[in-house]
Amino acid sequence: ILNVEQSPQSLHVQEGDSTNFTCSFPSSNFYALHWYRWETAKSPEALFVMTLNGDEKKKGRISATLNTKEGYSYLYIKGSQPEDSATYLCAFQGGSEKLVFGKGTKLTVNP
Amino acid sequence: DTEVTQTPKHLVMGMTNKKSLKCEQHMGHRAMYWYKQKAKKPPELMFVYSYEKLSINESVPSRFSPECPNSSLLNLHLHALQPEDSALYLCASSQAGFRTEAFFGQGTRLTVV
Repeated sequence: ILNVEQSPQSLHVQEGDSTNFTCSFPSSNFYALHWYRWETAKSPEALFVMTLNGDEKKKGRISATLNTKEGYSYLYIKGSQPEDSATYLCAFQGGSEKLVFGKGTKLTVNP
Repeated sequence: DTEVTQTPKHLVMGMTNKKSLKCEQHMGHRAMYWYKQKAKKPPELMFVYSYEKLSINESVPSRFSPECPNSSLLNLHLHALQPEDSALYLCASSQAGFRTEAFFGQGTRLTVV
């Protein structure tokens, strides 16, 4: 059984705080690691697709790193804003079109 | 247009009913997916269509029957469902092949009574 773990399960931060969360995944048969943001009542939205060990990607205040040898990825949010409140999902892709999702980290940013 | 449109948004059906979920995209994507998500669990893959052919079936019970009539449309036909099939059903699409981002619809919230 393929296991994708995310921590923490939930996180409450104040506006302006920087935060980060973790996704761990199998280190074998790696093709890609996806990050999605899912706001309530909306569709999950892709943030990053990461493929190379050591990859770092950035979109505005959000960035992500990837370590395929040890099987983890970090997502960072700098200067959190209330509109960043969402569930952040990572998904492992290994050798097929199938994405295996973690349970997500639910982020709440308090004004 | 980067939207994946799913209809209906909500569906309540009895265990003897037959219904269909629909999904549409106009991004030229050749891979389309059905995922199922139950409360407090991650989305789980059910089916993948690649170039209108079924490429992955994750051992889904036959009461769920997918159909891809053309490259823009994906249906999920439902028959004789059980209450435990109540869940959010998400459709997604992507460029064919691996390592490409998936675009998701908002989902259909299905309740089986």
